[in-house]
Amino acid sequence: QKEVEQDPGPLSVPEGAIVSLNCTYSNSAFQYFMWYRQYSRKGPELLMYTYSSGNKEDGRFTAQVDKSSKYISLFIRDSQPSDSATYLCAPRDNQGGKLIFGQGTELSVKP
Amino acid sequence: NAGVTQTPKFQVLKTGQSMTLQCAQDMNHEYMSWYRQDPGMGLRLIHYSVGAGITDQGEVPNGYNVSRSTTEDFPLRLLSAAPSQTSVYFCASNKRQGASEQYFGPGTRLTVT
Repeated sequence: QKEVEQDPGPLSVPEGAIVSLNCTYSNSAFQYFMWYRQYSRKGPELLMYTYSSGNKEDGRFTAQVDKSSKYISLFIRDSQPSDSATYLCAPRDNQGGKLIFGQGTELSVKP
Repeated sequence: NAGVTQTPKFQVLKTGQSMTLQCAQDMNHEYMSWYRQDPGMGLRLIHYSVGAGITDQGEVPNGYNVSRSTTEDFPLRLLSAAPSQTSVYFCASNKRQGASEQYFGPGTRLTVT
């Protein structure tokens, strides 16, 4: 079993839709949870991160962590074509601070 | 700041050839790492370094060597390329190990025939 599982998609939604991207993980010691966005043929960029359980909001993006069920979510409100990218969840290993990446979900927002 | 730079952008190798992928950062970051990205596999850590002169293995180190003689540079060497090493390679850096933001380079697309 992989430490982090993420549905690879692809996911296609119309502009303006609410998008939900999800990951599950197995290591209960994870404390920091990152979301990276990767545009086609580019390197990943940090979108946002949360610490422990709870929600964090940044504009149209909300990251949510439920440590009891080991479930990580990223919600995108009012999705735009410019949100079309691959989204990678990445909990951080407490031992050495290494990121453990999910497979990435490819999102396409159609105008 | 140029951030994290990688060269070359593209490379085609024949099986058995060796080559070095270059990575440099100008942010004075202590921590640098190499990942490979394959379809359906996400990013997997190859090697990392917590500072000049210190390197360690990640999840998939076989077939790759690294060294860190300066803070700025972290080259990745393929000793004898194999088709299984066809992938996109990303170099990344953090201020220090465990820092929240990791900065990625633009990637090197490698094909081994």
